[in-house]
Amino acid sequence: KAGVTQTPRYLIKTRGQQVTLSCSPISGHRSVSWYQQTPGQGLQFLFEYFSETQRNKGNFPGRFSGRQFSNSRSEMNVSTLELGDSALYLCASSLVLGGGTEAFFGQGTRLTVV
Amino acid sequence: GDSVTQMEGPVTLSEEAFLTINCTYTATGYPSLFWYVQYPGEGLQLLLKATKADDKGSNKGFEATYRKETTSFHLEKGSVQVSDSAVYFCALSDQEDDKIIFGKGTRLHILP
Repeated sequence: KAGVTQTPRYLIKTRGQQVTLSCSPISGHRSVSWYQQTPGQGLQFLFEYFSETQRNKGNFPGRFSGRQFSNSRSEMNVSTLELGDSALYLCASSLVLGGGTEAFFGQGTRLTVV
Repeated sequence: GDSVTQMEGPVTLSEEAFLTINCTYTATGYPSLFWYVQYPGEGLQLLLKATKADDKGSNKGFEATYRKETTSFHLEKGSVQVSDSAVYFCALSDQEDDKIIFGKGTRLHILP
């Protein structure tokens, strides 16, 4: 079956702009989580959605937001981009909620802010 | 809060050498523990997991045992291959949700 699909794979934006990243989970998966990966901070949790509801949120400013649609596809938005937002953004999907459930990751969207 | 600490890299080994990557965790509850691997240009892949104390996760020759008494989940492999070169992340997940807390990652280089 198809894996987690993230689009676009690469993106270059200018400071102050906004960006929307998309994630299509594995068919049947209802939980989608987003992570930011940078060389300095490693992998950090952004937020998690289950059945269109945000269930959990990490310690990121309000410029980072997300949503999930009825088909479980998810988008994350970053407004007023800063240079420090340059990172690999990873999306993960899992079948249900609950620790121990395997999370499947997409290949990520590499965002560069100039 | 919950956290994961793993050994700094990079780790460089010769092919067929024995591998250990240390990982310890801090958690208030009873988390599930994972090792993920990231190959160049790729996302993360689950390598193995353990959901309760004394469980041993294994996959592709890699093993890790959930040690509650030492709060550790060290990754081991008896004979590494060049194809094992990647970044390895130790991680935990609370029983209540899917939020995964990752260690900083350990880059592994295997020389032929």
